Formats: sequence, structure tokens, C-alpha cells
Amino acid sequence: GAVVSQHPSRVICKSGTSVKIECRSLDFQATTMFWYRQFPKKSLMLMATSNEGSKATYEQGVEKDKFLINHASLTLSTLTVTSAHPEDSSFYICSASGTRAGTDTQYFGPGTRLTVL
Amino acid sequence: TQLLEQSPQFLSIQEGENLTVYCNSSSVFSSLQWYRQEPGEGPVLLVTVVTGGEVKKLKRLTFQFGDARKDSSLHITAAQPGDTGLYLCAGGLTGAGSYQLTFGKGTKLSVIP
Repeated sequence: GAVVSQHPSRVICKSGTSVKIECRSLDFQATTMFWYRQFPKKSLMLMATSNEGSKATYEQGVEKDKFLINHASLTLSTLTVTSAHPEDSSFYICSASGTRAGTDTQYFGPGTRLTVL
Repeated sequence: TQLLEQSPQFLSIQEGENLTVYCNSSSVFSSLQWYRQEPGEGPVLLVTVVTGGEVKKLKRLTFQFGDARKDSSLHITAAQPGDTGLYLCAGGLTGAGSYQLTFGKGTKLSVIP
């Protein structure tokens, strides 16, 4: 199956700093990548959708200036949490979809656990 | 807004028992995916169904897509402790170049040895 990697897997940072999370599709071209946030024992909450070379589309209530998303190539998307605060602590998961992966099927990365002190 | 109602939310069963998880919606989906997620990891795709009435089997797991493509079920036969995890259904609605999925709230399955 299609493989998606995410880096780092865990990050701890101080309040006010910025953190960048990378999402890579390793064996297929991801025309679309998605960023989710997951709270403990909850389902996935879509934050934004990004198409390669275009600006990301953010879901209602997600601050685009706080969660910067870049999808510069067909295999890489990044999420930058700017001026992080403790309430940003969460499990962030990316997924990728493309012609090889199928129209609707999304393949997920392993997630990044962000802890803001 | 498309909604997927997933039930039950929690399920605790003994090893060897059978179980079924349901996903229902009033909306029609172009496809339906089932994922399994373990704590601290990303969801892993189990199956994608795209045709109304489609049935797919993956070892002890049987997935069915409703004839009207509004509902789906996951049946596990003779559950094993290794089946423990969070099961998520997700409906796809392809359109205008967007492949967004609508997720159910998940079913937390615990299989007791």
C-alpha cells in the first residue's frame, strides 16, 4: 500500500515558539494532502486541505495564520504551528491522496505528538 | 454537511466472540473507507468499498457497503486480542478536485483474552 511518513513523531517545545511538522508520501505522488488534529479518545478533526502548488483550504474555526501549511511538491507538505501555546498540544496527523492512492482513499502518516510547555 | 453515525461507540467483548460495527448516513458517498487506529499511531487503511452492495473480506473481517451507498458495516468473526483498537469509518465525496473524507466518531473495541 501507499506509505506516508511524518516527522517528527514527538516534539516538545516552549510556549511562544514555532514548530514545523513534515508529511511525505514515499511511494506515490500526493496531489492532495490533509492535516488533522485528534484529541484523546476522539475521532479526527480535519484542519485543512492542501493541493500541490495551491493555498490550503482551512476548515471553519482553524486559524490560517497560526497553522501555516505549505504543499510545495507532490511528495511533501508541512504544517507549522506558529507561536505555540499549551492549548495547541495535540496529536497531529497528515494524510495523502493521489491518483495511485485512489480517488477518495487517504493514506495516513503515523502522527506527531506535540506538547507545548 | 455530511454526517456519519458510527455505532457502537464502545465495545468490550471476550476473545472468540463475533461483533458488528455500523456506519450510517443520510448522505450518499462515492466510497467508504474503514480504518483501524492504535494509540499514538495514525489510522491504517483496512478497506475501501465503492460499489453499492459490495462485500469485501479481509481474513476474519467482512465489510459491506449498503446498496444505496449510505451505510456500511464491519463484521469481525472470532475476535482476537490483536483486533483491539479504534475503528473509524470514513465516507468519501469526490467533487471539484477535493477528496475530503467525512469521519465517523469511531468505535473503541477491546477484546479481552
